[in-house]
Amino acid sequence: ETGVTQSPTHLIKTRGQQVTLRCSSQSGHNTVSWYQQALGQGPQFIFQYYREEENGRGNFPPRFSGLQFPNYSSELNVNALELDDSALYLCASSSERTGTDTQYFGPGTRLTVL
Amino acid sequence: GQQLNQSPQSMFIQEGEDVSMNCTSSSIFNTWLWYKQDPGEGPVLLIALYKAGELTSNGRLTAQFGITRKDSFLNISASIPSDVGIYFCAGPRRDAGGTSYGKLTFGQGTILTVHP
Repeated sequence: ETGVTQSPTHLIKTRGQQVTLRCSSQSGHNTVSWYQQALGQGPQFIFQYYREEENGRGNFPPRFSGLQFPNYSSELNVNALELDDSALYLCASSSERTGTDTQYFGPGTRLTVL
Repeated sequence: GQQLNQSPQSMFIQEGEDVSMNCTSSSIFNTWLWYKQDPGEGPVLLIALYKAGELTSNGRLTAQFGITRKDSFLNISASIPSDVGIYFCAGPRRDAGGTSYGKLTFGQGTILTVHP
């Protein structure tokens, strides 16, 4: 069974640029959630994708957007990057079979905005 | 809102000691999850609890879902150096209609240091 994978591992961008992060869900999982984790804090929910549609959103501005593909993989896009966007971005997958609240996380993408 | 308060914030223990940490909320949760996170990596799910009063073990780890559904406890027995890391409790936030949409709320974390 393949776990959740994310790419890239690390990324450095400058303020105002755009970034795309990628996630492949654990095999058998059809739901993907994205979280932002600032240094020293717990993860904060950004949004969830189910059946290729956004299925719930946290307190993040519209410049955070996403996609889910038919194979359940997902992308997180962030436009007009700000310094405060520097964080570890985590993707988590889950399934209806085991419950969408029981989420399994990937290793994360470390984004640094200069 | 549905906030999770985790304690203690940090623990320094000797190898072989038992560890206990807890998580409380002012709101009821229907699921409690415990994760461990190593520096620079994603959280790893340790134990999931789904029913009030449930007691579940995973090796040296034992977690309990509080009867009031507003708290949960994680115990680690006979700690070893690889237990070092940050332990998070988490539960699904629900909107006014009771739907979670997969929004997990996390506690602030307990930083565990184990001295050999």
